[in-house]
Amino acid sequence: DAGVTQSPTHLIKTRGQQVTLRCSPKSGHDTVSWYQQALGQGPQFIFQYYEEEERQRGNFPDRFSGHQFPNYSSELNVNALLLGDSALYLCASSPQVGDSYEQYFGPGTRLTVT
Amino acid sequence: AQTVTQSQPEMSVQEAETVTLSCTYDTSESNYYLFWYKQPPSRQMILVIRQEAYKQQNATENRFSVNFQKAAKSFSLKISDSQLGDTAMYFCAFMKLPGYHGNQFYFGTGTSLTVIP
Repeated sequence: DAGVTQSPTHLIKTRGQQVTLRCSPKSGHDTVSWYQQALGQGPQFIFQYYEEEERQRGNFPDRFSGHQFPNYSSELNVNALLLGDSALYLCASSPQVGDSYEQYFGPGTRLTVT
Repeated sequence: AQTVTQSQPEMSVQEAETVTLSCTYDTSESNYYLFWYKQPPSRQMILVIRQEAYKQQNATENRFSVNFQKAAKSFSLKISDSQLGDTAMYFCAFMKLPGYHGNQFYFGTGTSLTVIP
């Protein structure tokens, strides 16, 4: 049973460019969350998708957008990249029903903006 | 708003000894969940232990246990018989009861634990 997978592993972009990160949830999970983890910090919630809709959003600008596909996989898009967007981007999946409420995390995508 | 505070940026422990990591949180919610996640150098976050706020009994998972003090809003993690594989960043996380609008995690800034041989 594959866990949460993310691609690519590493990415280097130039300031002002746009980037798309991808996530496939754990089998049986239908909810996907994205987090930004700056160096030396804890993960910060960006947004969560369920049933192809953004359910909840953290304190991130509109440059951060997302999408969820019918197979529950998800994309995170960041436009007009800033140096401060350099971070590890984590995807987490969870089932909408159940009592554990645990989120399973992927290995992350390391984004470097130069 | 919910906040999670981990006041110990770095800790170390001798192999086979016991160590306690601290976490405090602030919330006006009465029902919620608390988690400890481990992030080894390989980066993948792994759940260590979970506590439901409505349960008075402290959660235990093998060598890992918590001391949950709801009134004090404190949630510490005790690691017994520390092993080299326990070396990692440890994050405390808070989650309100999930609802239609999702189940967002609030994380602390982490504690870097090093187990010394």
